[in-house]
Amino acid sequence: NAGVTQTPKFQVLKTGQSMTLQCAQDMNHNSMYWYRQDPGMGLRLIYYSASEGTTDKGEVPNGYNVSRLNKREFSLRLESAAPSQTSVYFCASSAQGDTEAFFGQGTRLTVV
Amino acid sequence: SQQGEEDPQALSIQEGENATMNCSYKTSINNLQWYRQNSGRGLVHLILIRSNEREKHSGRLRVTLDTSKKSSSLLITASRAADTASYFCATGPSNYQLIWGAGTKLIIKP
Repeated sequence: NAGVTQTPKFQVLKTGQSMTLQCAQDMNHNSMYWYRQDPGMGLRLIYYSASEGTTDKGEVPNGYNVSRLNKREFSLRLESAAPSQTSVYFCASSAQGDTEAFFGQGTRLTVV
Repeated sequence: SQQGEEDPQALSIQEGENATMNCSYKTSINNLQWYRQNSGRGLVHLILIRSNEREKHSGRLRVTLDTSKKSSSLLITASRAADTASYFCATGPSNYQLIWGAGTKLIIKP
């Protein structure tokens, strides 16, 4: 049982480049989330998907887009990367909106 | 400002001692969750306590919630080296609106 799997684990981008972070869960969860974690700060929600077919903005959505491809997969896209997007990105899932969340191992992204 | 704020920011204790960390929040909540993060790794869920609960236990963990004071505490008893990690509280009306604190960094000295 893999839980939540994120790819890639590390990525270096040049300013202006685009990339997609992939996330998949095998727990049949309805809800999925993308967070970023910056040094000395708590997690901040970028986007979430309460259920398959829906996506909504979180606290810091600017510069990002998401796709809930199916119930298992939720991707995060940076269309034109900026140095301010240097961060560690976590994908998470939960059965419902008020139950415990399970996290992937994170993607460490550096934009130069 | 952060909804959930942990206190202290850092805590260093001897193995075997108890560790207590606190979380304060500002608005109404549906539940409050505690997570652990080992260095450079993903977060692991520890305990979820609902707004109508006052105390919850899980193994060596005890969480209390005081909604009148908008605060929660996490107690780890008989600490072990493996408990060395950062601990975060997250609160909000639902998972879709969780606000996370900056965490308490716990170091267990052998």
